[in-house]
Amino acid sequence: AQSVTQLDSQVPVFEEAPVELRCNYSSSVSVYLFWYVQYPNQGLQLLLKYLSGSTLVESINGFEAEFNKSQTSFHLRKPSVHISDTAEYFCAVSESAGGTSYGKLTFGQGTILTVHP
Amino acid sequence: DTGVSQDPRHKITKRGQNVTFRCDPISEHNRLYWYRQTLGQGPEFLTYFQNEAQLEKSRLLSDRFSAERPKGSFSTLEIQRTEQGDSAMYLCASSSWVGTSGSGEQYFGPGTRLTVT
Repeated sequence: AQSVTQLDSQVPVFEEAPVELRCNYSSSVSVYLFWYVQYPNQGLQLLLKYLSGSTLVESINGFEAEFNKSQTSFHLRKPSVHISDTAEYFCAVSESAGGTSYGKLTFGQGTILTVHP
Repeated sequence: DTGVSQDPRHKITKRGQNVTFRCDPISEHNRLYWYRQTLGQGPEFLTYFQNEAQLEKSRLLSDRFSAERPKGSFSTLEIQRTEQGDSAMYLCASSSWVGTSGSGEQYFGPGTRLTVT
């Protein structure tokens, strides 16, 4: 069965500093990987996804994540954060349920990123 | 399209009462998912439908919980004889899956916050 571990529950950083939010998953079959973001008082929004192909995926607002199959990781990084990046970030995995059908998402516990001025 | 909508946004009920939530997915999406999120945790999968067929149910879904998607469009989630432990945010998501292909990407609604007193 699939599982996801986000290694840090809270990450405080200063504006313009780099940040890495760590995510490890466990699965014995093919997976799709996602990062979702939840801004204060808002719903979950997809930030980026890995389905296949290039192991490095990017979002439109400067985040990137790299799929590492040997380490079963999908860490999220940004070279320079802004105050507006303050939010809770969730890593999620969807597992192949036979054939090519991917169904439910299994989420990690979330990492609260707080960017200080 | 305005995205996934959920109704009501908030529900306060007394222990032992029944409650029903509604989810309207993105119109062209054939898959609909229900998740539950408690404070400080990531969303947990409850069940999902492809069109009107319920394809998977979590072991978390006790016999007090029932979900339907009678015409393959909107869905309802009913909780009978509510307990205080049912207090949570109930999230609905939808995605598109055709044949053996789809992005696996799920779009989330704003959620229904249930408080059982």
